[in-house]
Amino acid sequence: DAGVTQSPTHLIKTRGQQVTLRCSPISGHKSVSWYQQVLGQGPQFIFQYYEKEERGRGNFPDRFSARQFPNYSSELNVNALLLGDSALYLCASSFRREVWTEAFFGQGTRLTVV
Amino acid sequence: AQTVTQSQPEMSVQEAETVTLSCTYDTSESDYYLFWYKQPPSRQMILVIRQEAYKQQNATENRFSVNFQKAAKSFSLKISDSQLGDAAMYFCAPAYAGGTSYGKLTFGQGTILTVHP
Repeated sequence: DAGVTQSPTHLIKTRGQQVTLRCSPISGHKSVSWYQQVLGQGPQFIFQYYEKEERGRGNFPDRFSARQFPNYSSELNVNALLLGDSALYLCASSFRREVWTEAFFGQGTRLTVV
Repeated sequence: AQTVTQSQPEMSVQEAETVTLSCTYDTSESDYYLFWYKQPPSRQMILVIRQEAYKQQNATENRFSVNFQKAAKSFSLKISDSQLGDAAMYFCAPAYAGGTSYGKLTFGQGTILTVHP
């Protein structure tokens, strides 16, 4: 069985640009969450989507947005990139909205903003 | 706000020895779950062990066990018979069943574990 897959694995963007990150959850999982992990720190919650609706949002500016598609895959969009957006972006999927059913993480997308 | 503190930025252990990683958290929620995740250099976050707060019995998973002290809001991870493959960054992460933090993991700052042969 395929695990959580994220694409791309790495990318480099320039300040002010926009970026889209993609996540495919484990088959049958309906919840996708996004986390930002700055180098040397723990991941910070950005969004949770369940059944294609936003169910939770962390303390991030409106430049961050996301959506979930009918096949439960998800995209995270970041507009007007800042240097501080450079981080590892992790996607986690779980069967239910309640993350304690066990969240499985992808390998992340390393975003570098120059 | 929910906070998670891992007071040991780095720990080291000899292969086959035992090491304990500490974690404290602050919450007013009564229903929550606690997780330890491992993040090796490959970057993928891997679940190590899970503890339900309503259970008094400490969780164990092979060489991994926890010491859960609910009143003290402490959740430490003990790794027995350490192996080279245990070297990674370890994160403590509560997940709360209510309030504004419902449905999300709140991660600590992490502890880098080095295993010496």
